[in-house]
Amino acid sequence: NAGVMQNPRHLVRRRGQEARLRCSPMKGHSHVYWYRQLPEEGLKFMVYLQKENIIDESGMPKERFSAEFPKEGPSILRIQQVVRGDSAAYFCASSPRDRANNEQFFGPGTRLTVL
Amino acid sequence: QQQVKQSPQSLIVQKGGISIINCAYENTAFDYFPWYQQFPGKGPALLIAIRPDVSEKKEGRFTISFNKSAKQFSLHIMDSQPGDSATYFCAARSGGSNYKLTFGKGTLLTVNP
Repeated sequence: NAGVMQNPRHLVRRRGQEARLRCSPMKGHSHVYWYRQLPEEGLKFMVYLQKENIIDESGMPKERFSAEFPKEGPSILRIQQVVRGDSAAYFCASSPRDRANNEQFFGPGTRLTVL
Repeated sequence: QQQVKQSPQSLIVQKGGISIINCAYENTAFDYFPWYQQFPGKGPALLIAIRPDVSEKKEGRFTISFNKSAKQFSLHIMDSQPGDSATYFCAARSGGSNYKLTFGKGTLLTVNP
């Protein structure tokens, strides 16, 4: 029973390039959350998605960031024209459909470094 | 505005001692309070969680104490072991429709042998 999978685990980009981070939720999970962790900080909520729907993107920067969770395939967090301040660990979490038991299971994260 | 305040930032405990980490929150709409453990290079893993209608929950060496009127909750690790050395995050979950987690800044626990 595979857990939440994220790839790549490490990503290096130069300023101005695009970064694409992928998240495959646990089997049977239809809810995906993205969080960002800056050095020596807690995780900050970015966006909450269900299949083909963005439910809450209140934590997403207004520009350059977008997320999707298509009907087929992984969830994608896309950062366009990256800047040094985007360097962080990005974590994806998934939870099952049942809201009464809504524990979030986290993936290992993608560590983005912007040169 | 930090909605969940966690202290201390770091903690050093001797093997066999008790580790205590405290958190405080402001938003009374929070309805679920988990603690996560994170090892370097790994994602957070759920350790133990509590709901506000319970004042204490114990699982093995880990206990959450919850004070609803003071809007505070704490994690106690009994008989701390070197393998417990990690960063611990408290969190609070919003009710309603999206269940997003708001995290504290974390406590780096070091348990000396």
